[in-house]
Amino acid sequence: QKEVEQDPGPLSVPEGAIVSLNCTYSNSAFQYFMWYRQYSRKGPELLMYTYSSGNKEDGRFTAQVDKSSKYISLFIRDSQPSDSATYLCAMSEGEYNTNAGKSTFGDGTTLTVKP
Amino acid sequence: DTEVTQTPKHLVMGMTNKKSLKCEQHMGHRAMYWYKQKAKKPPELMFVYSYEKLSINESVPSRFSPECPNSSLLNLHLHALQPEDSALYLCASSRGGLSSPLHFGNGTRLTVT
Repeated sequence: QKEVEQDPGPLSVPEGAIVSLNCTYSNSAFQYFMWYRQYSRKGPELLMYTYSSGNKEDGRFTAQVDKSSKYISLFIRDSQPSDSATYLCAMSEGEYNTNAGKSTFGDGTTLTVKP
Repeated sequence: DTEVTQTPKHLVMGMTNKKSLKCEQHMGHRAMYWYKQKAKKPPELMFVYSYEKLSINESVPSRFSPECPNSSLLNLHLHALQPEDSALYLCASSRGGLSSPLHFGNGTRLTVT
């Protein structure tokens, strides 16, 4: 079983829809939780990150971390065609842990937002 | 545009060639990374430098040789590659410690013929 499982998709939604992207994990040592967006032929772009539990909001994006359930989510409100990309969740252990520096990525979910 | 700059954008090399990939960041980040990404797969960690010292080598074959000349530059020297090494090679940096979020460049798309 993988340490990080991401809902595979692909996901296709109409413009304006609310999108929910999700990952589960098994390693309780994870403390940093990231979402990256990757457009075709580009590198991943850091969208949001959360340290430990809780919610974080940035414009149309909300990241949620539930450490008790080992579950993280990214919500996109009022989705736009420009949001069409592959979304990668990633997690890493704390600074002083053995695996510091080794982010574990989900396999990615490809989202298409149709006009 | 990203703040991590990688050159070249594309590279085609034969199996007997020697080439280098370059990465530069001017954000003052003290950790720099090389990742390899195959199509429709997540990035895979290759090397990590922290304060210009090699911290992590993920058992990468010796035909890949990293170098960190200073805190802003990272190179990846390539020699005697195989066709299966064809991939997108991504450089990243992080501001804080090794667990901080990554800032990626747009990568070098490498084809080995």
